[in-house]
Amino acid sequence: AQSVTQLDSQVPVFEEAPVELRCNYSSSVSVYLFWYVQYPNQGLQLLLKYLSGSTLVKGINGFEAEFNKSQTSFHLRKPSVHISDTAEYFCAVSEWHSGAGSYQLTFGKGTKLSVIP
Amino acid sequence: DAGVTQSPTHLIKTRGQQVTLRCSPKSGHDTVSWYQQALGQGPQFIFQYYEEEERQRGNFPDRFSGHQFPNYSSELNVNALLLGDSALYLCASSLRYYEQYFGPGTRLTVT
Repeated sequence: AQSVTQLDSQVPVFEEAPVELRCNYSSSVSVYLFWYVQYPNQGLQLLLKYLSGSTLVKGINGFEAEFNKSQTSFHLRKPSVHISDTAEYFCAVSEWHSGAGSYQLTFGKGTKLSVIP
Repeated sequence: DAGVTQSPTHLIKTRGQQVTLRCSPKSGHDTVSWYQQALGQGPQFIFQYYEEEERQRGNFPDRFSGHQFPNYSSELNVNALLLGDSALYLCASSLRYYEQYFGPGTRLTVT
């Protein structure tokens, strides 16, 4: 069964500084990987996804992530953060379940990013 | 293009009661998944519906049940509510195997 570990529960960073949010996963099969962002009292918004191909994935709002198969990681990065990036970020892995004939999405516990003015 | 919509936005129930939450998927999507997000936690998968059938189920008791209608909309029912059922319930839709788009959620408080 797949699992997702987000290594930092909270990350404070100064405005315009770079940030990296770490995510490791475990799975016995090929997976798809996602990062979602959740603003207070809202649902989840897809930031970026890795399905196949280039291991460097670019998403919305200037975020990017790199898939590293050997280290089973999918870390999220942004070179310069803004106040508006303050939110909770969730890493998720989607694994094929042959018995059900569908994919199941498993989330990490989230990382709260706080951007300090 | 309307995204995923959920109703109601908030509701308060008493222990032992039953509740029904509703979800309309994004236009063109045929698969609906439901998640429970407790305070300070990541979303936990409840179940997924495709072609009006439950295709997968997470580690949730039978008190949690669902339905998908021919227009792809879906309901989540929870019977015999417990205090621990208080959470944000998220609905996500997708076109079969592709990425899931989430609605704003329904905040359920059980007192």
